[in-house]
Amino acid sequence: DVKVTQSSRYLVKRTGEKVFLECVQDMDHENMFWYRQDPGLGLRLIYFSYDVKMKEKGDIPEGYSVSREKKERFSLILESASTNQTSMYLCASSRTEKETQYFGPGTRLLVL
Amino acid sequence: GDSVTQMEGPVTLSEEACLTINCTYTATGYPSLFWYVQYPGEGLQLLLKATKADDKGSNKGFEATYRKETTSFHLEKGSVQVSDSAVYFCALLQGAQKLVFGQGTRLTINP
Repeated sequence: DVKVTQSSRYLVKRTGEKVFLECVQDMDHENMFWYRQDPGLGLRLIYFSYDVKMKEKGDIPEGYSVSREKKERFSLILESASTNQTSMYLCASSRTEKETQYFGPGTRLLVL
Repeated sequence: GDSVTQMEGPVTLSEEACLTINCTYTATGYPSLFWYVQYPGEGLQLLLKATKADDKGSNKGFEATYRKETTSFHLEKGSVQVSDSAVYFCALLQGAQKLVFGQGTRLTINP
């Protein structure tokens, strides 16, 4: 089974803090994704990566950056957290661009 | 751009009732279609998928048929259980590696 893990299930941070969300997949997948999930809005793509050190902006990249130094790990960075970044963050991976995406359990982030 | 529209929730049913959650899509080409399920406190799990017109995806008693003529991918189950209570997301994938999700439908099944 594909396993996608995220470093924290719940996180509480203060406005202005730098926040790191980590995601690791164990299936040697090429592609990795970060989404945020908000009530009534479904999931929206923040960034994705199709190879090590490669990244592409999704629909809502503002206020976020990403890092992919190793194939199995994809990090989402909030340089200066703001209250409107309070959300559920979901990481996903897929073997190729046309194949099923597998999701991690999510990190619920609260920014005070 | 591409989009997915799901029926408004929440949906509440009694155990053993029939379920249909409507999903329609707008896309310029021939996307793959998915249903994902999110159980309370968990991430999304793939429930079923279909990659071309007239394909039927099925899993755990759920089914959905890719209908190109009506641009629909409705989720159905003949007899729901309390354990089916979750949020269900319809999604499409068309090139560009980008999944486009509907807003989700919360389903509650009462014993």
